[in-house]
Amino acid sequence: DIVMTQSPDSLAVSLGERATINCKSSQSVLYSSNNNNYLAWYQQKPGQPPKLLLYWASTRESGVPDRFSGSGSGTDFTLTISSLQAEDVAVYYCQQYYSLPHTFGQGTKLEIK
Amino acid sequence: QVQLQESGPGLVKPSETLSLTCTVSGGSIRSFYWNWIRQPPGKGLEWIGYIYYSGITNYNPSLMSRVTMSVDTSKNQFSLKLSSVTAADTAVYYCATAAEAYNWFGPWGQGILVTVSS
Repeated sequence: DIVMTQSPDSLAVSLGERATINCKSSQSVLYSSNNNNYLAWYQQKPGQPPKLLLYWASTRESGVPDRFSGSGSGTDFTLTISSLQAEDVAVYYCQQYYSLPHTFGQGTKLEIK
Repeated sequence: QVQLQESGPGLVKPSETLSLTCTVSGGSIRSFYWNWIRQPPGKGLEWIGYIYYSGITNYNPSLMSRVTMSVDTSKNQFSLKLSSVTAADTAVYYCATAAEAYNWFGPWGQGILVTVSS
């Protein structure tokens, strides 16, 4: 199985400031034949299912604000929220879909400082 | 937009079989891959497996010996059975769709909490 490790486990950021969450995979999730990174990011608020934010590591899902961006390739990825809003308080997960079983990071809890 | 809704018992006794159904609306089950994902209270997400409308399945090896998935195209539903449950199987169970076997998940159902307790 590919192990996904997120850092930090929790993060407190002031409103309007940048938030950065890291995700590292135990092996590359870059598929060389199409040059796509098989990585997604989700946001989960209490009592709700996860919501897809980004796929192919950096492609925003329809309706996701452009303050959310993704970067990285191979084994190291980053989710950035450029200007934190109150509604962004949530737990964020990365997920690899390069190989089965699909696996998720342990989650990063984002709070307001 | 496809919508999914989980249903089933919220309480299952240890050693018994957990049975859940996911009803798909707003689209045909003859498309996409249909997944089950679970989340123990306060913990992270674990992929259980998927089923395609043709009946092709793929299960997480960690649960493979206890998992069975099925699909009923006439009802636009797919189901999960998890046998010999223990307290460690207590979780919110989500159904979710994926366009391909190797793909991100979305949309998701709202989830159903299943507690294993006598």
